[in-house]
Amino acid sequence: AQKITQTQPGMFVQEKEAVTLDCTYDTSDQSYGLFWYKQPSSGEMIFLIYQGSYDEQNATEGRYSLNFQKARKSANLVISASQLGDSAMYFCAMREGGDAGGTSYGKLTFGQGTILTVHP
Amino acid sequence: DAMVIQNPRYQVTQFGKPVTLSCSQTLNHNVMYWYQQKSSQAPKLLFHYYDKDFNNEADTPDNFQSRRPNTSFCFLDIRSPGLGDAAMYLCATVGSATDTQYFGPGTRLTVL
Repeated sequence: AQKITQTQPGMFVQEKEAVTLDCTYDTSDQSYGLFWYKQPSSGEMIFLIYQGSYDEQNATEGRYSLNFQKARKSANLVISASQLGDSAMYFCAMREGGDAGGTSYGKLTFGQGTILTVHP
Repeated sequence: DAMVIQNPRYQVTQFGKPVTLSCSQTLNHNVMYWYQQKSSQAPKLLFHYYDKDFNNEADTPDNFQSRRPNTSFCFLDIRSPGLGDAAMYLCATVGSATDTQYFGPGTRLTVL
């Protein structure tokens, strides 16, 4: 079963409008972290925002906010006031548990990504 | 200043000709990862190092090897590249299990 699901292969938004990119996850761990990364056409993976499973407040970083609904196991990314430079692939990722050493240390599981296109 | 550096950014090799990709980090992080990302797909973890402790993902082909001579550097060796190994290769580091992974800019590998 998919651990991270991004149901929107592509999204379009008008410049200066807000957009929500969906992400749902599946884990039995109590301690986990959720991340959003942006990947422009150049290929580098840029960290945007992080939400810990025990964080009670939704994470915010500038124009990015994470709508964390733990009971629904969703971690949607909201981008406010979209800019042309926001056009990119966006990945949701989850880190489950994590202990020193071993085979799962800080390992990220990625969703399939959503391509966001911002129109002028 | 760049914290995770990958060289080269673009690499072209011939079918079957060994190739080495390099990654360095200035963060003094314990853990380094190598991911393979094919076009329009999610990154796929190949292996990671916790200090010098090497951890291979179960489905990583034997064709892929890695070396970590010191904390700062990590290398990905592809012994006999096939056409199916053409991809973006991403290196990432993290300081502890609860930290954010920071990625390098990637090396785009072409196999002719």
